[in-house]
Amino acid sequence: SQELEQSPQSLIVQEGKNLTINCTSSKTLYGLYWYKQKYGEGLIFLMMLQKGGEEKSHEKITAKLDEKKQQSSLHITASQPSHAGIYLCGADRNTGNQFYFGTGTSLTVIP
Amino acid sequence: EPEVTQTPSHQVTQMGQEVILRCVPISNHLYFYWYRQILGQKVEFLVSFYNNEISEKSEIFDDQFSVERPDGSNFTLKIRSTKLEDSAMYFCASAGGDYYEQYFGPGTRLTVT
Repeated sequence: SQELEQSPQSLIVQEGKNLTINCTSSKTLYGLYWYKQKYGEGLIFLMMLQKGGEEKSHEKITAKLDEKKQQSSLHITASQPSHAGIYLCGADRNTGNQFYFGTGTSLTVIP
Repeated sequence: EPEVTQTPSHQVTQMGQEVILRCVPISNHLYFYWYRQILGQKVEFLVSFYNNEISEKSEIFDDQFSVERPDGSNFTLKIRSTKLEDSAMYFCASAGGDYYEQYFGPGTRLTVT
């Protein structure tokens, strides 16, 4: 099965600081997705990466998929308290019907 | 803005009882999913549903589980005989043409005693 490992497991940063979250797959990824989960709530889709070397941005969040398509990083610039939550990377099998999520990274932003 | 809704928000049941978790996906969506998240653990895929049938299911989704879309709007997950280890948050999700852009409901917390 697809295994997705995220690092770090948790992160505490001061507001305004930049941070990076990594997601590593044991297999070549067909598609890599980033979601955010607020504590005790459902997941919110952030972005999807499919091509090796692809980079996408949404507001102050940038995600990149490496050339070999086995690792992705999520970078937040000038973090704000609203960025706090759990960030999950996800992947699917080529069928697109079964999804796997990573172990999650818990982000706390201190004002 | 359209959203996925789930009821109830919290369900407490005794071991061996049947439970039905209900979801109302976004109306024009085509793909439907159930996930579960045991407290402190990762979100786990249970089942995907498309074109009125199960597309794929995980090893967790055994004969105790079933899904239905009875009336074109609701999407239900039934657990026939609950076990203690079924205690978890259950999330429903739906997606439109882009299956990966899933919209999640707020979840139902199931507690089996």
